[in-house]
Amino acid sequence: QKEVEQNSGPLSVPEGAIASLNCTYSDRGSQSFFWYRQYSGKSPELIMFIYSNGDKEDGRFTAQLNKASQYVSLLIRDSQPSDSATYLCAVNGRGSNYKLTFGKGTLLTVNP
Amino acid sequence: EAGVVQSPRYKIIEKKQPVAFWCNPISGHNTLYWYLQNLGQGPELLIRYENEEAVDDSQLPKDRFSAERLKGVDSTLKIQPAELGDSAVYLCASSWGLVNEQFFGPGTRLTVL
Repeated sequence: QKEVEQNSGPLSVPEGAIASLNCTYSDRGSQSFFWYRQYSGKSPELIMFIYSNGDKEDGRFTAQLNKASQYVSLLIRDSQPSDSATYLCAVNGRGSNYKLTFGKGTLLTVNP
Repeated sequence: EAGVVQSPRYKIIEKKQPVAFWCNPISGHNTLYWYLQNLGQGPELLIRYENEEAVDDSQLPKDRFSAERLKGVDSTLKIQPAELGDSAVYLCASSWGLVNEQFFGPGTRLTVL
């Protein structure tokens, strides 16, 4: 079982819709969770991080964490064509092994 | 504030040749990471430095890969000899401490012919 699982997509949504990106992880002791956006040919850039159960909102982005279900999601409201990218979920390990493990990423396409 | 700097941006070499990548982290960031990213995959950690000490190199193929971070600032990753399967993007990232967000450089795209 891969440590961090994401649906590779592509996920296609119309402009203005809500895009929902999902991620599950296997290490129950994971401490922190990150969403990175990666445009084609570019490096990953951090858009959200979350440490506690519940929702965290930042502009059009909402991260949701459910540690009991080992599930983290990213919602993008009012999706724009400029949001079209691969979204990488990353999970930080527990204890002294703060290794950031990435999923394969979900390719999101927002259609005008 | 300047971001993470990497060079070269692109490198094409023939197999069995050596290659080196350089990274300068964000000023003040004591933790530096080297990742490998294959097409369609997420980044995979090769080595992590805390200051000048390599604290996690469990994923570094030590028969051909080496890294150093002299003086705890910039870092070099070397492959010798390169193999066809080493073709990938090599990303450098830095952070302040272990739990804070990591910032990535633009990467070096390596092609081994």
